[in-house]
Amino acid sequence: EVQLVESGGGLVQPGGSLRLSCEASGFTFSSHAMSWVRQAQGKGLEWVSTISGSGGSRYNADSVKGRFTTSRDNSKNTLYLEMNSLRVEDTAVYYCAGSPGPYYDIGGYIYWGQGTLVTVSS
Amino acid sequence: EIVMTQSPATLSVSPGERATLSCRASQSVSSDLAWYQQKPGQAPRLLIYDASTRATGIPARFSGSGSGTEFILTISSLQSEDLAVYFCQHYKNWPRTFGQGTKVEI
Repeated sequence: EVQLVESGGGLVQPGGSLRLSCEASGFTFSSHAMSWVRQAQGKGLEWVSTISGSGGSRYNADSVKGRFTTSRDNSKNTLYLEMNSLRVEDTAVYYCAGSPGPYYDIGGYIYWGQGTLVTVSS
Repeated sequence: EIVMTQSPATLSVSPGERATLSCRASQSVSSDLAWYQQKPGQAPRLLIYDASTRATGIPARFSGSGSGTEFILTISSLQSEDLAVYFCQHYKNWPRTFGQGTKVEI
């Protein structure tokens, strides 16, 4: 059974940092590009970043560029999102999501975690 | 950035009826489009990719069509469990963008 389990969310002050993790199981992690997608309360979905299966290619949304870094450790089947200089508008549930192939998120997101809530507030 | 626009915002449909959801892209995305279903309190689920291919395990009552800038998601005979918000998303180029969603009410 495929599972993606996010962790690391919580309450942080504006300007603070947080590191999210997403542990994968039930599939060959390195063969799949992985992404972060977030959703503010009562709002739609927003793509945040994508990393290729090897970790060699990454893309970020302009809204997080220079502040968020996505990485992966294929030996640990884990995806990470390092978030710095957090803003109130970064408050959202953060989902990790897996794509069918290794290169980019072509074909959409077939695997989803349950999400972890990040709240940025003073 | 490609803007994805979904209509209607809310769709009220009786069980057994057909539901038709629209998604329009501000420029061509070819067939690089996916549809997701999100039920209350749950993560999204992939329904359709490449505009018209059903994902694994998705019932045949869900179908996708279109290419370029105009896309349709059809639920042929609505079931009560189809109550959800439906999102379209392109993967033609960066950044990926989602539509704002269509809420399907029973």
